[in-house]
Amino acid sequence: ENVLTQSPAIMSASLGEKVTMSCRASSSVNYMYWYQQKSDASPKLWIYYTSNLAPGVPARFSGSGSGNSYSLTISSMEGEDAATYYCQQFTSSPLTFGAGTKLELK
Amino acid sequence: EVQLVESGGGLVKPGGSLKLSCAASGFAFSSYDMSWVRQTPEKRLEWVAYISSGGGSTYYPDTVKGRFTISRDNAKNTLYLQMSSLKSEDTAMYYCARHPSTGTRYFDYWGQGTTLTVSS
Repeated sequence: ENVLTQSPAIMSASLGEKVTMSCRASSSVNYMYWYQQKSDASPKLWIYYTSNLAPGVPARFSGSGSGNSYSLTISSMEGEDAATYYCQQFTSSPLTFGAGTKLELK
Repeated sequence: EVQLVESGGGLVKPGGSLKLSCAASGFAFSSYDMSWVRQTPEKRLEWVAYISSGGGSTYYPDTVKGRFTISRDNAKNTLYLQMSSLKSEDTAMYYCARHPSTGTRYFDYWGQGTTLTVSS
């Protein structure tokens, strides 16, 4: 199983601050996917094929990476970005998720 | 508007069985691969079953293989998950989720979830 390790587990950022979170795979993957989940809601697709923003996702978000190392970046933190972000892979079966990075507003 | 509405969750004793349903609307259900994904009380996400658009292919992780069965009724726009030999570690929120196109292995829409609790 390809284990995805997200870091940090919890982080806080001030309004306007740049945010970067990491997702590292135990085996190389071709693409990474990211989901946003807010309390009491279901996950939402946020980034697909590593760097493509899902419809409606603000342009301040970006995704990058290759091989074993991927990241999600917010260029300027806004209050609505506070949420938990999960990465996901399916280069190798089974499809797996990371444990999530909880982003809080400082 | 794409809608996925799960139902059928509840409290079940260890070793018991339960069948979840997911009613789909707002899109051509029969054209899309579907999956079930669960979220544990610790908030971990785990994929538990996949079915192709026509129902001819199904896949499961080892953690549920032989205990869970995914199926679909394209005439009724409904996805199912039959669960048996349930264990406490199956306790979770269960989501049905849509794959955006054939062969893709990520999810563009998720339902609101239905909760399964396995406890004596």
